[in-house]
Amino acid sequence: GENVEQHPSTLSVQEGDSAVIKCTYSDSASNYFPWYKQELGKRPQLIIDIRSNVGEKKDQRIAVTLNKTAKHFSLHITETQPEDSAVYFCAASLSQAGTALIFGKGTTLSVSS
Amino acid sequence: NAGVMQNPRHLVRRRGQEARLRCSPMKGHSHVYWYRQLPEEGLKFMVYLQKENIIDESGMPKERFSAEFPKEGPSILRIQQVVRGDSAAYFCASSPPIGRQAAYEQYFGPGTRLTVT
Repeated sequence: GENVEQHPSTLSVQEGDSAVIKCTYSDSASNYFPWYKQELGKRPQLIIDIRSNVGEKKDQRIAVTLNKTAKHFSLHITETQPEDSAVYFCAASLSQAGTALIFGKGTTLSVSS
Repeated sequence: NAGVMQNPRHLVRRRGQEARLRCSPMKGHSHVYWYRQLPEEGLKFMVYLQKENIIDESGMPKERFSAEFPKEGPSILRIQQVVRGDSAAYFCASSPPIGRQAAYEQYFGPGTRLTVT
């Protein structure tokens, strides 16, 4: 079955710096890769996702890149702000309804001002 | 536009009691998923249901855990004879019907934090 590894487990940056979180997956059949942000005690929120027919996707300060050959994908946050502080989870799945998301263990991002 | 609703938000049970967790999907969504999150861990898939059908329960423990999604009303995750190791946050997610765009996107509820004493 699918296995997702996520690094680093913790990341501390200064406000305005960039942050990069990396994930690798094992099942070459996976073709859908969402990222969730979870603030303390809150629900995981879908912030961006990518399907394997594209290599990069951007949404304002957030971007995700995918390398299907190497089976890894990354989340990039530019111009970080204190409100970006949260736990970020990557996941891998198939782009079809009813498929379980397989999550990484999460990255705790701390942005200090 | 109401999101995924879960209740209760916090639940305390003594060992041996039963826990019932409820989930109402987003309006228009017909697929429900349950995940468990242990402290400092990612979310682990438990079960996927459509109305009146369990489609995939490969992540459910074989004993004490059951789930349903009746024709009317919320989805229920039931844990019988709870033990301390069941203490976790239980999240439900929903996705749009098959045939709708992005039917694979899952939107999460606020979770139920179960504490077994």
